[in-house]
Amino acid sequence: EAGVTQSPTHLIKTRGQQATLRCSPISGHTSVYWYQQALGLGLQFLLWYDEGEERNRGNFPPRFSGRQFPNYSSELNVNALELEDSALYLCASSFVGGKSPLHFGNGTRLTVT
Amino acid sequence: GQQVMQIPQYQHVQEGEDFTTYCNSSTTLSNIQWYKQRPGGHPVFLIQLVKSGEVKKQKRLTFQFGEAKKNSSLHITATQTTDVGTYFCAEDNQAGTALIFGKGTTLSVSS
Repeated sequence: EAGVTQSPTHLIKTRGQQATLRCSPISGHTSVYWYQQALGLGLQFLLWYDEGEERNRGNFPPRFSGRQFPNYSSELNVNALELEDSALYLCASSFVGGKSPLHFGNGTRLTVT
Repeated sequence: GQQVMQIPQYQHVQEGEDFTTYCNSSTTLSNIQWYKQRPGGHPVFLIQLVKSGEVKKQKRLTFQFGEAKKNSSLHITATQTTDVGTYFCAEDNQAGTALIFGKGTTLSVSS
């Protein structure tokens, strides 16, 4: 089966711009999670979507937002980019939120200059 | 808020030595999951522990869940260079709606 796919692989933006990251879950998975992995900070939970609805969000400002489409793919939008937003953004999918193992994509490396 | 404390942050061992990483929570957990992230890669699910005192083995890896379900450990026997990477524990947050990850233990192995 195809794994979780993310695009683009790398993204370079300047401060103040907006970034859009995309994720396609494993077929059959309805839950999509977004995590930020900045150097030395581990995996920070950003957002969880299930069945098209935002179910939970982590401790991030409102300029981090996203959505889930009817085909369960998802996009993460980051507005008014700041230098500290530079990180690896990982998308993961699962069958049911909270208890099922997460399957991660390879991530999008966002660099803000 | 709920926190997952993982120690040590870094560990270097000689090939053949054993390795253990510990995960401690401030609250009683419903379950805990372990993931491994190779350098340059993405986290890969290893195992999920649910029962109090549970012990599971995967070849040279032994996973334990504490009796009080507030801590867990991953032990690797006779490490190999293929064990290199960062090991994360992850727990449900209090609302049971998202996995919260520890900061991970990065293991390096020299041959």
